[in-house]
Amino acid sequence: GESVGLHLPTLSVQEGDNSIINCAYSNSASDYFIWYKQESGKGPQFIIDIRSNMDKRQGQRVTVLLNKTVKHLSLQIAATQPGDSAVYFCAETPSSGNTPLVFGKGTRLSVIA
Amino acid sequence: DAGVTQSPTHLIKTRGQQVTLRCSPKSGHDTVSWYQQALGQGPQFIFQYYEEEERQRGNFPDRFSGHQFPNYSSELNVNALLLGDSALYLCASTIAPNMNTGELFFGEGSRLTVL
Repeated sequence: GESVGLHLPTLSVQEGDNSIINCAYSNSASDYFIWYKQESGKGPQFIIDIRSNMDKRQGQRVTVLLNKTVKHLSLQIAATQPGDSAVYFCAETPSSGNTPLVFGKGTRLSVIA
Repeated sequence: DAGVTQSPTHLIKTRGQQVTLRCSPKSGHDTVSWYQQALGQGPQFIFQYYEEEERQRGNFPDRFSGHQFPNYSSELNVNALLLGDSALYLCASTIAPNMNTGELFFGEGSRLTVL
């Protein structure tokens, strides 16, 4: 498959452990945030989103935490599996108006079996 | 239900040439956005089409142009190619007015290499 990026920050996690991927955003006006997963040779795939009126949102095996004070977002993956190996991007936008998503640079998650 | 499909998947061009990339949105979607993803970077917004018109544009030169057809499919054209245009070009579709929500569905991209 194709390599999405060669010089991304990398997180290596043992299979079964929990993963935490962090993201700092810059736009104080952003109030809607999304995490995407991009596997090699594929386009980004929606994982979970959160609006600024929430601090935490949970999905299946994933949790997103939002700290608006320090403009920080994190994605927690429980019981990481080999299939979770991918590049993870956070994206932000002000939800009012028609402003495109702005993506971060991404983090490569490698799961060690 | 077919997702977002893009063509070609890979192509090689030389500097100064022109390229056209194609995208068919997910069934039921009427809004198409194009993103450029350089190696090691997140996707960058190029422009968005809805009702056959460019609705928004990112910070890209006029060499980048597009079109949307009545069947909602879209093309991205890049003229006078530069080495720096080498990237993965992603198409994403959604249903207006969900243009900037997580309801964006991405295709697998067209990998352009400019020599």
